[in-house]
Amino acid sequence: DVKVTQSSRYLVKRTGEKVFLECVQDMDHENMFWYRQDPGLGLRLIYFSYDVKMKEKGDIPEGYSVSREKKERFSLILESASTNQTSMYLCASSLGQGWTGELFFGEGSRLTVL
Amino acid sequence: AQTVTQSQPEMSVQEAETVTLSCTYDTSESDYYLFWYKQPPSRQMILVIRQEAYKQQNATENRFSVNFQKAAKSFSLKISDSQLGDAAMYFCAYRSIVNTPLVFGKGTRLSVIA
Repeated sequence: DVKVTQSSRYLVKRTGEKVFLECVQDMDHENMFWYRQDPGLGLRLIYFSYDVKMKEKGDIPEGYSVSREKKERFSLILESASTNQTSMYLCASSLGQGWTGELFFGEGSRLTVL
Repeated sequence: AQTVTQSQPEMSVQEAETVTLSCTYDTSESDYYLFWYKQPPSRQMILVIRQEAYKQQNATENRFSVNFQKAAKSFSLKISDSQLGDAAMYFCAYRSIVNTPLVFGKGTRLSVIA
């Protein structure tokens, strides 16, 4: 089975702190994604990557950056956390070539910024 | 840009009954994929069912089936013989056949009443 692991289920950070959210997948997937989930807003795409060292902005990239140095790992970085970044963050991965759209999700990281 | 609309933020169903969740989408493309994803409480999001737009036949997966109306741009999910384990957030999603990320609706929270 595909496993997507997010390093932290729950985090509490202070305003202005730098925050790293790590995601690792074990199925050699080319594509990886970071979504943000908020009540009433659904899932919104922050960044995605189709290959190592590649990244593309999603719909809400402001205040975030990403890193993909290895195929299996995709990190989301909040350079200076703000209270409006309190949210659930979901990482997902998928095949690349021939991808029919199935995403495999991690369990999510719930971030609270105080 | 494609959009996905789920007009029912919350729904409930009696155990063993049937419920239908609505989804509409907006696109100018003729070929694409549509999905329903399920997110149980505190658990990973998983794919429930997928429909390719070029297929006229509605997809089915056990108790889950869809009513795909391409001209109306409607993609509803029917859950038959509802079970307590069906209680979850359900997200409708769209993806172009071009390698682009999924676009999600805002979700419908389904409660199952024993």
